[in-house]
Amino acid sequence: EVQLVESGGGLVQPGGSLRLSCAASGFTFSTYKMHWVRQAPGKGLQWVSYITSSSSVANYADSVKGRFTISRDNAKNSLFLQMNSLRGEDTAVYYCARGETGGEYFFDYWGQGSLVTVSS
Amino acid sequence: DIVMTQSPDSLAVSLGERATINCKSSQSVLYSSNNKNYLAWYQQKPGQPPKLLMYWASTRESGVPDRFSGSGSGTDFTLTISSLQAEDVAVYYCQQYYTSPPTFGQGTKLEIK
Repeated sequence: EVQLVESGGGLVQPGGSLRLSCAASGFTFSTYKMHWVRQAPGKGLQWVSYITSSSSVANYADSVKGRFTISRDNAKNSLFLQMNSLRGEDTAVYYCARGETGGEYFFDYWGQGSLVTVSS
Repeated sequence: DIVMTQSPDSLAVSLGERATINCKSSQSVLYSSNNKNYLAWYQQKPGQPPKLLMYWASTRESGVPDRFSGSGSGTDFTLTISSLQAEDVAVYYCQQYYTSPPTFGQGTKLEIK
């Protein structure tokens, strides 16, 4: 059974940093592109970032480019999102999502999410 | 970025009746070389993450009941639930993956009348 479990969320002040983790199991993690997608409270879904299976390519939404860094550790079946210079508008539930097998940008499995709250 | 617009924003349908949700993209998501529409649908129940229902506009994800169907091409798409069940109460999102960044519609909240 595919499982994605996020951790690392919490309350942080504006300008602060936070690192999210996603532990993957039930599939060959090293062969899949992985993504982060966020959802502000009561709002819709916004794609944040993706990373290729080998970490050779990463891509970001314009709203987080230069502030967020995605990475992965295939030996530990883990995905990460380093978030710096956090702003109020970054407050959201952050989901780790698996990219579909063919590499297209849609998401066949999602974690339960980790809430990040940016507030003073 | 491609803008995805869903209609209606909310919908109330009686149990056993048909529910129809529309999704319009600001530009075509049909890739001419393979004749595929780069459009997915997700279902999100309260307190849960989204769940993939449909991709390539009309291909049902494994395990999704056949009362769910997707149609449309180019810029106009529809998700249809043929006979609404109580467990279908959720917010439904369309998403294009034709170009990066992938973008979602604003969501349609489906309730029981």
